[in-house]
Amino acid sequence: SYVLTQPPSVSVAPGRTASITCGGNNIGSKRVHWYQQRPGQAPVLVIHRDSDRPSGIPERFSGSSSGNTATLTISRVEAGDEADYYCQVWDSGSNHPVVFGGGTKLTVL
Amino acid sequence: EVQLVESGGGLIQPGGSLRLSCEASGFTVSRNYMSWVRQAPGKGLEWVTVIYSGSGTSYADSVKGRFTISRDNSKNTIYLQMNTLSVEDTAVYYCASSPVSGSSFYLDYWGLGTLVTVSS
Repeated sequence: SYVLTQPPSVSVAPGRTASITCGGNNIGSKRVHWYQQRPGQAPVLVIHRDSDRPSGIPERFSGSSSGNTATLTISRVEAGDEADYYCQVWDSGSNHPVVFGGGTKLTVL
Repeated sequence: EVQLVESGGGLIQPGGSLRLSCEASGFTVSRNYMSWVRQAPGKGLEWVTVIYSGSGTSYADSVKGRFTISRDNSKNTIYLQMNTLSVEDTAVYYCASSPVSGSSFYLDYWGLGTLVTVSS
């Protein structure tokens, strides 16, 4: 089945920009979605279809995807952005169609 | 307002069975794809199963043959019947919805989750 690879952790100072990557074979040909999960809470969709933001998600959150890498970018990072972030794709031709990355812990220094 | 409320979790012995429920409000479950996603303690998200709007289903290999997803349109509720449970099934189980799309699949609404603990 399809595999998504994320770095276990990323650290960033407040006010700076954080980039979280998600690697997969030709991931640029798939639609990538991103979720934020704060400690003790349910996941929240922050980016869908590579770069679309759901209603209520700040413009500081953006996404892109090309080749073998998708990226979630968080600008002007705030303390409240500290969370786990997961990428996800739909591998429609597979018997395991919904695939998550292993998650990245974002630490705000 | 869209809401998903899971129930039915608890402590169960290995080999036992449990049925989880997810009651939806603010939208119609039969018009969306509905999934169960679980998260073992300290681990990442693991997709478990989906029921499509046309009632077709898919399962992760780890639960195939043991878990069954179903839907009651009259109650706007989906269920997860879990049989032959093992300690590896211990997790928070989330119910989540996806808009129907031919080109992508994402989980736009999530419940708060229900904890299933399999232990003797």
